[in-house]
Amino acid sequence: EAGVVQSPRYKIIEKKQPVAFWCNPISGHNTLYWYLQNLGQGPELLIRYENEEAVDDSQLPKDRFSAERLKGVDSTLKIQPAELGDSAVYLCASSLEGSTEAFFGQGTRLTVV
Amino acid sequence: GQQLNQSPQSMFIQEGEDVSMNCTSSSIFNTWLWYKQEPGEGPVLLIALYKAGELTSNGRLTAQFGITRKDSFLNISASIPSDVGIYFCAGRNNYGQNFVFGPGTRLSVLP
Repeated sequence: EAGVVQSPRYKIIEKKQPVAFWCNPISGHNTLYWYLQNLGQGPELLIRYENEEAVDDSQLPKDRFSAERLKGVDSTLKIQPAELGDSAVYLCASSLEGSTEAFFGQGTRLTVV
Repeated sequence: GQQLNQSPQSMFIQEGEDVSMNCTSSSIFNTWLWYKQEPGEGPVLLIALYKAGELTSNGRLTAQFGITRKDSFLNISASIPSDVGIYFCAGRNNYGQNFVFGPGTRLSVLP
């Protein structure tokens, strides 16, 4: 069974440019999470989806970040415009509805220069 | 907001030694999780704890849900080189809420 797939693995962009990350969760997993992980820290939740509905986006900086999960399967996270402080690893995770076990993808390492 | 502290921040041990690390919170949690993250990978769930005082094992790993519900402990027995990584605790206080992650304990195993 394929795990959570994220792309790209690495991205380097100049500040003020837009960037998008893509996530394909494990088949059948209704719940999808986007996390931000800064160097030396644990993951911090940005947004959680139940199917296509964003049930918790309270930690998403909505002035520059947006996310969508239109058909309740794969999801994209966008930053526009990117700032130097956005350099981090962006992790996607998925789980069955109600399960505590979230499976993480390998992440996208973003470097903003 | 809720914050978790993990101790120690990092540790270097000899292969074959036992390891102990802990996670503390200022808030009561009803669920504790322990994850391991290797370089370039996402975290992988090791153990889940659902009840105060619960002791759960997964191979050489044993985790405990603290009686105060404000802490949790992870022990690794007879460490091996592949135990190297960062160990994160995560907790939540109610079903439906999101998990909060600690800053991690970085483990290095010397051959």
